[in-house]
Amino acid sequence: DADVTQTPRNRITKTGKRIMLECSQTKGHDRMYWYRQDPGLGLRLIYYSFDVKDINKGEISDGYSVSRQAQAKFSLSLESAIPNQTALYFCATKVGETQYFGPGTRLLVL
Amino acid sequence: QKEVEQDPGPLSVPEGAIVSLNCTYSNSAFQYFMWYRQYSRKGPELLMYTYSSGNKEDGRFTAQVDKSSKYISLFIRDSQPSDSATYLCAMIGNTDKLIFGTGTRLQVFP
Repeated sequence: DADVTQTPRNRITKTGKRIMLECSQTKGHDRMYWYRQDPGLGLRLIYYSFDVKDINKGEISDGYSVSRQAQAKFSLSLESAIPNQTALYFCATKVGETQYFGPGTRLLVL
Repeated sequence: QKEVEQDPGPLSVPEGAIVSLNCTYSNSAFQYFMWYRQYSRKGPELLMYTYSSGNKEDGRFTAQVDKSSKYISLFIRDSQPSDSATYLCAMIGNTDKLIFGTGTRLQVFP
């Protein structure tokens, strides 16, 4: 267990707004990840970070940006939200070869 | 072709049944194999983790890996209504990226 927390748990926003989703972990793990989950598409990797200075794009990074403010915190931003970014967003940390997930943020873009 | 294929279900079984969940994959570089369980409105929770071909048992759960056939399975014995969830297979090879199946929704009815 990696004690991953995410805020907010639910968010409704409008097209064009900038929003930030936050993730924190308490175990001091180096590697952190952001995924989105859509029905029928499974979990897709948006961005990942090996440490504070190492940020990498994942499979679907367009329209998203991230910030690793500290080892424990990894934030995901939608610069200008659009309706097809409506999804469930998960943050995860890596322990060995496995990943542990936070509870998720349910985002609705109107 | 997706790297990991998983039947989305839904799979509906009576309490006490043996459940078999399966994934196939195409990338022979995958070395570590995981099964996650995801309850509705929750984050994925690591259930089983295996490295080599063969079986690994944990209580009512058995994970099976056949690298020669590129096929992994999760068996649930004596299934319970509390096992009702979506089960995601995931695997990782020589990159840091965990690749997920789309998930199989399981319902165990009393």
